[in-house]
Amino acid sequence: EAGVTQFPSHSVIEKGQTVTLRCDPISGHDNLYWYRRVMGKEIKFLLHFVKESKQDESGMPNNRFLAERTGGTYSTLKVQPAELEDSGVYFCASSQDAISGGSTDTQYFGPGTRLTVL
Amino acid sequence: AQTVTQSQPEMSVQEAETVTLSCTYDTSESDYYLFWYKQPPSRQMILVIRQEAYKQQNATENRFSVNFQKAAKSFSLKISDSQLGDAAMYFCAYNEYGDDKIIFGKGTRLHILP
Repeated sequence: EAGVTQFPSHSVIEKGQTVTLRCDPISGHDNLYWYRRVMGKEIKFLLHFVKESKQDESGMPNNRFLAERTGGTYSTLKVQPAELEDSGVYFCASSQDAISGGSTDTQYFGPGTRLTVL
Repeated sequence: AQTVTQSQPEMSVQEAETVTLSCTYDTSESDYYLFWYKQPPSRQMILVIRQEAYKQQNATENRFSVNFQKAAKSFSLKISDSQLGDAAMYFCAYNEYGDDKIIFGKGTRLHILP
């Protein structure tokens, strides 16, 4: 079974440009999450999709970030325009079933996309 | 707000020895999960071990075991018989029962010395 994949693995852009990150979750996983790790700091939650719907986007830093999950399959995270402080590693994760009955399904993480904004 | 603290940014251990990584957390909740994730260099982050807070018994996975002290809010990871492949960044993490987001510590980079 293929794991969570992310593309690109590394992106270097100039401040003010636009970048789109892609995440392909494990097939059949309803839940898709985006996290970010800024250098030297903790990995922070950005948002959570259940299928194509945004369940929780409380961690999105500002309106320069736009996440979509068309058809409930892959997801994209667009940063427009990028700023220096957006540099970091963006992780995607997926889990199988929607949270129900209080159970927490294991989140499987992708390798991350390292974004560098110059 | 819940927080997770890993006080050791880096650690080293001799191959075949045992090492313990520390983690403390802060929460007012009684139902939650704790995790240790491992991220080898340039590779996927994978779940090493998971502990449900309601379980008193410490979780174990082969050479990996935890010391879960709920009252002290401590969750350390012990790696026995360290191997070169254990070299990685280790993240301690917390997830509140019924919540979607995982809260991570800053990580501990573990070096294995041959």
